[in-house]
Amino acid sequence: EPEVTQTPSHQVTQMGQEVILRCVPISNHLYFYWYRQILGQKVEFLVSFYNNEISEKSEIFDDQFSVERPDGSNFTLKIRSTKLEDSAMYFCASSGTSGNNYEQYFGPGTRLTVT
Amino acid sequence: QQQVKQSPQSLIVQKGGISIINCAYENTAFDYFPWYQQFPGKGPALLIAIRPDVSEKKEGRFTISFNKSAKQFSLHIMDSQPGDSATYFCAASKRYGQNFVFGPGTRLSVLP
Repeated sequence: EPEVTQTPSHQVTQMGQEVILRCVPISNHLYFYWYRQILGQKVEFLVSFYNNEISEKSEIFDDQFSVERPDGSNFTLKIRSTKLEDSAMYFCASSGTSGNNYEQYFGPGTRLTVT
Repeated sequence: QQQVKQSPQSLIVQKGGISIINCAYENTAFDYFPWYQQFPGKGPALLIAIRPDVSEKKEGRFTISFNKSAKQFSLHIMDSQPGDSATYFCAASKRYGQNFVFGPGTRLSVLP
């Protein structure tokens, strides 16, 4: 069964450093998303991406964040200068465009720890 | 208006019992309502979803009941099993490419 994959599974970085989180969405999906989940809290939307551009972003997704689809398979989230409060699980998701359902399939997540 | 409320925060059920989790929304533009199951350290996994044109959807032991006029929907887990112990999130979305607004989650524990 196709699945969304994410690397690395755990990233530890120092405050102020840049991190890049990587995702490989399901191959025939066209919408891509990043969410984050601070420990013990709900899942929060960051950004959605379609046709090589951002289609929607939340107030969390400020100038420190950027997304890119550098090739036909990868989808990345970059945080330019990490803060302690960026520590969270980051989930990538993808969805198709056919049918009546807007099903989003989530990857296993990357745990980002900022020290 | 973007918020999805979810209750209870935690739920303990005996094996074989029925688990019921409730959600409510305000934004009438939402038209897709999935439930996700999340185990510790894992990503949310789609469990079941419903559109507002039906009032109920059943898949195995999982049933979503939807009340459009009340803007509420609920997840029923019949014959709950210890393996169902997880955190359950309801969510809502408007259309393709739109973000999901998640509820705060319900931690379900099914006792053997």
